[in-house]
Amino acid sequence: GQQLNQSPQSMFIQEGEDVSMNCTSSSIFNTWLWYKQDPGEGPVLLIALYKAGELTSNGRLTAQFGITRKDSFLNISASIPSDVGIYFCAGPGRNTDKLIFGTGTRLQVFP
Amino acid sequence: DAGVIQSPRHEVTEMGQEVTLRCKPISGHDYLFWYRQTMMRGLELLIYFNNNVPIDDSGMPEDRFSAKMPNASFSTLKIQPSEPRDSAVYFCASTPSLILGEQYFGPGTRLTVT
Repeated sequence: GQQLNQSPQSMFIQEGEDVSMNCTSSSIFNTWLWYKQDPGEGPVLLIALYKAGELTSNGRLTAQFGITRKDSFLNISASIPSDVGIYFCAGPGRNTDKLIFGTGTRLQVFP
Repeated sequence: DAGVIQSPRHEVTEMGQEVTLRCKPISGHDYLFWYRQTMMRGLELLIYFNNNVPIDDSGMPEDRFSAKMPNASFSTLKIQPSEPRDSAVYFCASTPSLILGEQYFGPGTRLTVT
């Protein structure tokens, strides 16, 4: 079935650094969603992408929908301690109503 | 508008007991999803409803699990009898449209079965 692979699995960075993570698939997705999950909470939708090549920002976050429709990346600029959490990419599966979630990137920010 | 509401936030129960988890979706959202999250398996879709009707329950692990949606503003996930391997965080999510794909999650219920 369709899978979404995220890299890196985890990141340990210093406050103020920029962060980049990506999500890839062997099959095409028509929508890319990026979620953040804080410890002990549910995933929160950060950015939604609907068109190949689309670049969308939400504050310090920027995400892009890859031209091939098989990848997406999320950048966080000038990281702060509250950026800590797990970041998931997700997309509606082909011929299915279900959302497929990536494996997650765990971000740790040190002051 | 309030987001997805789940209760309880934490549940600790003994093996063999019945557990009921509750969810109130965002008003106007016609789709409701129940997920389970564990370290080993990540987020797994258990079942989803459209207009209160179960559409796909292929993710429900076994007959011990059941879910209902008696009206547009309330759903329950029941486990009877509970087992230690059911320990996980259970999330409810809702969306107004499957086309866009965006789902909005509740805070989750952390279930521990001893």
